[in-house]
Amino acid sequence: DTEVTQTPKHLVMGMTNKKSLKCEQHMGHRAMYWYKQKAKKPPELMFVYSYEKLSINESVPSRFSPECPNSSLLNLHLHALQPEDSALYLCASSQPPGQETEAFFGQGTRLTVV
Amino acid sequence: GQNIDQPTEMTATEGAIVQINCTYQTSGFNGLFWYQQHAGEAPTFLSYNVLDGLEEKGRFSSFLSRSKGYSYLLLKELQMKDSASYLCAVRDRGDYKLSFGAGTTVTVRA
Repeated sequence: DTEVTQTPKHLVMGMTNKKSLKCEQHMGHRAMYWYKQKAKKPPELMFVYSYEKLSINESVPSRFSPECPNSSLLNLHLHALQPEDSALYLCASSQPPGQETEAFFGQGTRLTVV
Repeated sequence: GQNIDQPTEMTATEGAIVQINCTYQTSGFNGLFWYQQHAGEAPTFLSYNVLDGLEEKGRFSSFLSRSKGYSYLLLKELQMKDSASYLCAVRDRGDYKLSFGAGTTVTVRA
């Protein structure tokens, strides 16, 4: 199983809403990532969790709040977003450095903020 | 951090071969990845190199030279469905960052 599952696939939310994006993997990977991708741009790293602990926050605004409840799950809580936050949000997983393995992406959540 | 460069666009004919180069500079190297991404979809894993040399997977091959900070992705027997963006990504040793180049848009023409 090399699958990373993200839900929902599409999300439309207002600027006052609170919503959450979910990501799940069962490959035993201990590093999980959130990326944001705008059209015709490469993915931009937002957060990295390693062994369920936040290891990297790329100066992401506090209206994005990550959570890693266990080694298989990664959430991204959204609150008071802006229209410019509309993008494809991608989750990825891999083993941490020292255990060289591939890194796989989920299918993404296409978020539209209205 | 990393500085990753790849060409912006490439065009080739169906059935031909295309080579996409990627150069990188990193303070610590722990693997280079190639992904294919069709418009509006998520990146799909193609290959992973951590040691020097060539990795072959069907019509796709990837090469790595760590001393030169250089990789290429070779696409053989091009098909129309290979028209996509190809992303080079480098993972840094010491943290878990996976950083991407800007991507190369490959257009396959009949």
